[in-house]
Amino acid sequence: QVQLQESGPGLVKPSQTLSLTCTVSNGSISSGYDYWNWIRHLPGKGLEWLGYIFHSGESNYNSSLRNRILISVDTSKKQFSLKLNSVTAADTAVYYCARGPLRFVEDWGQGILVTVSS
Amino acid sequence: DIQMTQSPSSLSASVGDRVTITCRASQSISSYLNWYQQTPGKAPKLLIYSASRLRNGVPSRFSGSGSGTDFSLTISSLQPEDFAVFYCQESHSPPFTFGGGTKIEIK
Repeated sequence: QVQLQESGPGLVKPSQTLSLTCTVSNGSISSGYDYWNWIRHLPGKGLEWLGYIFHSGESNYNSSLRNRILISVDTSKKQFSLKLNSVTAADTAVYYCARGPLRFVEDWGQGILVTVSS
Repeated sequence: DIQMTQSPSSLSASVGDRVTITCRASQSISSYLNWYQQTPGKAPKLLIYSASRLRNGVPSRFSGSGSGTDFSLTISSLQPEDFAVFYCQESHSPPFTFGGGTKIEIK
């Protein structure tokens, strides 16, 4: 079973850029059918899909994040990354990386809490 | 964007009870509807995809139905490990919106 592990700072200052990396093990990040997603769980609220990337570099983002988000992939390192700029306290959440076919998510990382605070 | 409305937001039930959760989409999403279960401190787990397809390894007491705008998740006989939060998610078109969640608590 594919395993995913998020890494990155747990504390980010307001207006700065949140940067997270997901490392994939026990599987290929270049498989033909897998989409690599970022999803977050806002405190006291529900789940929010942020975006996905395919190994080719094709990506799609939640329009609510406007132009603040970038997801990239490094197939040689078996990693994909999330950058979210101009963060505010509203971006405080548990961030998950996840894998699946286009229309659903099968495997999730354990999640990483990112707090936006000065 | 498609809006997903789950109901109820919470319910209390006993082990052995039959429980049904509903999810309504703001527009037709065909059968592009998934169900996830999340326990505290853990990542969500996929239970059902494409409205009614049970993921391999998920107990058969879970079932999903519906198409268009109205969907449901049924647990035929609630087990102790089923007390959790359940989310629906549309996968018709980005941003693949999740419902607000249904928390099942022990009565």
